[in-house]
Amino acid sequence: DIQMTQSPSSLSASVGDRVTITCRASESISVHLNWYQQKPGKAPKLLIYGTSTLESGVPSTFSGSGSGTDFTLTISSLRPEDFATYYCQQSYTTPRSITFGQGTRLEMK
Amino acid sequence: EVQLLESGGHLVQPGESLRLSCAASGFTFSHSAMSWVRQAPGKGLEWVSTITTSGANTFHADPVKGRFTISRDNSKNTLYLQMNSLRGDDTAIYYCAKSAGTHFDSWGQGTLVTVSS
Repeated sequence: DIQMTQSPSSLSASVGDRVTITCRASESISVHLNWYQQKPGKAPKLLIYGTSTLESGVPSTFSGSGSGTDFTLTISSLRPEDFATYYCQQSYTTPRSITFGQGTRLEMK
Repeated sequence: EVQLLESGGHLVQPGESLRLSCAASGFTFSHSAMSWVRQAPGKGLEWVSTITTSGANTFHADPVKGRFTISRDNSKNTLYLQMNSLRGDDTAIYYCAKSAGTHFDSWGQGTLVTVSS
């Protein structure tokens, strides 16, 4: 199975900061990479699919990039509601196998 | 508006069985592949199972293969997960998720399964 590794595992930042989260695949997944946001006690929410396509309603402060094995999620200017846990997910081997990164917890400094 | 409502989760003993349900509305259920994703307490997301639109093909993660079975009833707009031989490490919130090709574009609120003696 393809393994997904996110870094950092946790991150402290302030409102207005620019933040970057990295996701690395154990082998090439082309651009088949998705990002989700999860707040405590809530279900995950799709943010970005296909590496860089924003889901409808997601603010343009979110962006994604990468290809092959290395991907990034960038939040250009943090808002209070962005403090959450973020997960990447590879869909290269969908539907027979789907894997998520371990998550990055974004906390307020 | 897409709605996914899971039910069926509760406390069971190791070795017992449980069936989860997910009632779908707000979209054409029979046109969407569906999946179950779980999250152990304080842990990350783990894909469990996926079923194609007609139900003809199913896929399961290695930890649940042979114990869990995903199914669907398109006439009832309902997704199921039959879980047998439950173990302590199956304790988790189980989410129903709608697939949009390569990603999960809608999620239910989850149902908690606790396996403990």
